[in-house]
Amino acid sequence: EVQLLESGGGLVQPGGSLRLSCAASGFSFSSYAVSWVRQAPGKGLEWVSAISGSGGNTYFADSVKGRFTISRDISKNTLYLQMNSLRAEDTAVYYCAREGGYGGGVMDVWGQGTTVTVSS
Amino acid sequence: EIVMTQSPATLSVSPGERATLSCRASQNVNYNLAWYQQKPGQAPRLLIFGASARATGIPARFSGSGSGTEFTLTISSLQSEDFAVYYCQQYNNWPRTFGQGTELEIK
Repeated sequence: EVQLLESGGGLVQPGGSLRLSCAASGFSFSSYAVSWVRQAPGKGLEWVSAISGSGGNTYFADSVKGRFTISRDISKNTLYLQMNSLRAEDTAVYYCAREGGYGGGVMDVWGQGTTVTVSS
Repeated sequence: EIVMTQSPATLSVSPGERATLSCRASQNVNYNLAWYQQKPGQAPRLLIFGASARATGIPARFSGSGSGTEFTLTISSLQSEDFAVYYCQQYNNWPRTFGQGTELEIK
């Protein structure tokens, strides 16, 4: 079964750091780009970051550029989102989503999400 | 950044009727437009890609149309499980951007 499973969410103080993980199974992890998408409480979806299958290309939303980094460990079939200098507005459910099952940019498989709360 | 604008914000429709949801892009995205459905407490689910192609397992009552800057998602004969929030997303340019969503509610 094709699956993505996020972990690493939690409560963190403003200015703090957190690393999210997304474990992939059931497909060739290195063949697909993966995105992080977040959803603030009661709000819509916001694309955050993406990484190519090889890991050679990364992309970020302006709202997180310079604070977040994305990486992947092919040997562990795992995607990471390192979040630094966290702000209250980063509070959200963070989803990882596979791209490429139907072409680049189409998010065809989603994890269940992990919740990040930034608060003092 | 391409801004995606969905209308209406909320749509009230009776079961068995047709629903038409709109999505407008601030610039040309060609056919690089996807639609997702999200139910409370769940992750989004891909419905449509390439503006009009249904993803695997999506019922034929869901159809997408449009190109360029104007897109439509039509759900014919609404079923109880179709009441949810729907998002459009462009993948023609970086950054990927989503519309703000249309909530489809039971009338």
